[in-house]
Amino acid sequence: GAVVSQHPSRVICKSGTSVKIECRSLDFQATTMFWYRQFPKKSLMLMATSNEGSKATYEQGVEKDKFLINHASLTLSTLTVTSAHPEDSSFYICSARDPQRVYEQYFGPGTRLTVT
Amino acid sequence: AQSVTQLDSHVSVSEGTPVLLRCNYSSSYSPSLFWYVQHPNKGLQLLLKYTSAATLVKGINGFEAEFKKSETSFHLTKPSAHMSDAAEYFCVVTRNTGGFKTIFGAGTRLFVKA
Repeated sequence: GAVVSQHPSRVICKSGTSVKIECRSLDFQATTMFWYRQFPKKSLMLMATSNEGSKATYEQGVEKDKFLINHASLTLSTLTVTSAHPEDSSFYICSARDPQRVYEQYFGPGTRLTVT
Repeated sequence: AQSVTQLDSHVSVSEGTPVLLRCNYSSSYSPSLFWYVQHPNKGLQLLLKYTSAATLVKGINGFEAEFKKSETSFHLTKPSAHMSDAAEYFCVVTRNTGGFKTIFGAGTRLFVKA
């Protein structure tokens, strides 16, 4: 099946610094990627939809200036957590849509962010 | 509007006994339905999917689910639980009409006792 990778898998950063998380579709071109956040023992919450070559669409309540999303190519989307704070610590998961498969999206393995 | 309700936040079974994880959905459009499993600190793994073909869907690791339109249900079952099945399970509905949209259920934690 289609593969989506995320890098890094784990990151620890100091409060006030910025962290970039990469999401790559390895064997298909993804015009649309999604970024989710998952709190402990909770379901996934959609943060934003990332469209290649255009601005991301953010869900209500998600700060676009804090969570910068760039989708510069058909195989790469990045999420940058700017000026991170401990409350940003979470599990971030991306997914990518294969335009050839209408209803499906493929999830990355997730990135555990810990802000100290 | 779409919604997904997983009826149990926790399910506990003994190893070797059947598993039933319940999911009800509502959708204004013909939905596609999925079950994903998530082990601790891991990403999501697709177990099975329904996309308007056969209503009884077989997935990996012995899991299957039946789409019942009259009951708006898509319950996940497995005849015999294994210790390795202990994980979090998510029922997910997507639509591709009027824009691609994904709705996650709240999740069901499956415990398997020896």
